[in-house]
Amino acid sequence: AQSVSQHNHHVILSEAASLELGCNYSYGGTVNLFWYVQYPGQHLQLLLKYFSGDPLVKGIKGFEAEFIKSKFSFNLRKPSVQWSDTAEYFCAVMIYNQGGKLIFGQGTELSVKP
Amino acid sequence: KAGVTQTPRYLIKTRGQQVTLSCSPISGHRSVSWYQQTPGQGLQFLFEYFSETQRNKGNFPGRFSGRQFSNSRSEMNVSTLELGDSALYLCASSLAAPGHFPPLYGYTFGSGTRLTVV
Repeated sequence: AQSVSQHNHHVILSEAASLELGCNYSYGGTVNLFWYVQYPGQHLQLLLKYFSGDPLVKGIKGFEAEFIKSKFSFNLRKPSVQWSDTAEYFCAVMIYNQGGKLIFGQGTELSVKP
Repeated sequence: KAGVTQTPRYLIKTRGQQVTLSCSPISGHRSVSWYQQTPGQGLQFLFEYFSETQRNKGNFPGRFSGRQFSNSRSEMNVSTLELGDSALYLCASSLAAPGHFPPLYGYTFGSGTRLTVV
């Protein structure tokens, strides 16, 4: 079965530190890739998405992600985190022949210390 | 532009009862998907509707059902509630259309309905 794996369950960083959250998926065909963020008490919001083209995707709030097809990975990065980035981050995959179904990773909780 | 609206926000039900949750998508969005979010299982896909037709279904028992109306609003129903059905139920809408991959703008999620079964 297709799955999405996020390497870290909980990441703790100090402000201004760099962030990289890992995401790997298990499917060899065409996929769309997403990163969503869920701030405390808020709904899921789309950070960025990859459909095709340039594998380096830029999203909102200074986040970016790189799609490496050979590694089935879509890691999220931010050069300098802020306290306001404290949230849970979800990687998700949509598979070409499975309609609109999103397969989510288990999420990574990010805590940024001021 | 209004977002995805889910009602009610909170619900407490007794084991064995049934419950209906409602989702109003963003105006113009014709695709509605439902997800269950729990601490143990994370976010799991329930089903997706487009133009009143179920296009895709996740691995949930038949107690979980849904439907979509002609105005794209959607409801999901859970019958014979179990304690394990306690979760945050999320609805997402999209401009996706049959045969159109990828969806034009991804999916926009609502704030969810938190269901507690006691």
